[in-house]
Order: sequence, then structure tokens, then C-alpha cells
Amino acid sequence: DTGVSQDPRHKITKRGQNVTFRCDPISEHNRLYWYRQTLGQGPEFLTYFQNEAQLEKSRLLSDRFSAERPKGSFSTLEIQRTEQGDSAMYLCASSLGSFNEQFFGPGTRLTVL
Amino acid sequence: SQQGEEDPQALSIQEGENATMNCSYKTSINNLQWYRQNSGRGLVHLILIRSNEREKHSGRLRVTLDTSKKSSSLLITASRAADTASYFCATDESTNAGKSTFGDGTTLTVKP
Repeated sequence: DTGVSQDPRHKITKRGQNVTFRCDPISEHNRLYWYRQTLGQGPEFLTYFQNEAQLEKSRLLSDRFSAERPKGSFSTLEIQRTEQGDSAMYLCASSLGSFNEQFFGPGTRLTVL
Repeated sequence: SQQGEEDPQALSIQEGENATMNCSYKTSINNLQWYRQNSGRGLVHLILIRSNEREKHSGRLRVTLDTSKKSSSLLITASRAADTASYFCATDESTNAGKSTFGDGTTLTVKP
């Protein structure tokens, strides 16, 4: 158990619907990361926060995606108007500072029908 | 494109044998990390090796880093069926103190 939790673990939605995922990092970790992973590939970076500030967003993160970490604790990732190509595992990780181990949660598997 | 590339893509060995996986990367890094992922699960952190380190051990795991060749290797000794998983390397670039860039992994199968 890494201490990072994600909710829900699975989400099935219809194309065009909005979905929101939650990540609770390890409590003392100030950095929180979101990644997306498709079958047979490694995780791809989406965005990361230091405390409540969103410091970097990948080009993969279209304007349909938004992430927040309002109080520097938990984070949410929202996908609006979902498309079938959004089907993937969404992984959250946290770390204490930069250039240190990232601890991953179990992921949220999204299926868009 | 992915920074790290693992080699081989797939590896199948008998229990008790050693498994070696390699990772190559392109840019200057601050550190390199190895992770394990069982099918459909999250990633488990194995080892972090910093750019000024050449070798690191943790139990049956040995990681080497050659910054001149921009490569790393992960050795699992005396493998067990429970080591069956995908293994990923991830690099933290020197100029980007944020994201980790992952390769596409090596799928290891250990036959009992």
C-alpha cells in the first residue's frame, strides 16, 4: 500500500459525458502528478502540482481536461465531453519535493463507450 | 516521444535465473527510477538512482547507471514467479524539475 488513493477505481461512461476523478496523495507530499497510461505503453505525463499551484501541463492535456488541487491536498482531474480516445488508465502520484521517488496510486480505469 | 526506451520489450525466463533489463534515454538527467507494474495495477517504485551514482542495490535488485552512454540496467537475481510483471524506467530531466518520462517497459515472465 503506497498511501496514494484514487477514486473511483473504474469508470464507464458514454461519449460526450463529463467525468471527474479524485486523487488523495500521501499527506506530507507537496507534489502531485497525473499520468495517463494506455495498454502496452508506459505512463504519459499530463500535469503536476506543487502544493496548490499547477506548474506544468502536457500538450496531451487538451482544453477538455482540467485539473485542480485547491488546498494543496487532494486533486481532481475532470474530462469534459469524453471521447473514445480518452479510454485509458489515469494514474496519480505524489512525492516529497522534486527529483524524489514518486509513489503511485492504483489508478482509475476509464472506459468511454 | 518517450525519453526512455527499455530493452528487451519482452523477456521470458525460468524461476531461479537472473533477468536483465536495459533502459536508454536521450537527454541529461537528474535521476532515473525503476518501477514494477503488475497487470492492471498501479506502479510500484523499486529504486531511484541519481546521476552521480553508478550502482545501487536493493535486495535482489541491482541497478547500474552509465551517464556517458545514457543507459541504465536493472538486474533481478534468483527470479521468482512473483516477479512476473512489466518493468519501467523513468527519467527526471535535469532541466525540468517536475515530470518523469517513462519508457514503454519490459514485460518479464518468470516460469515456475
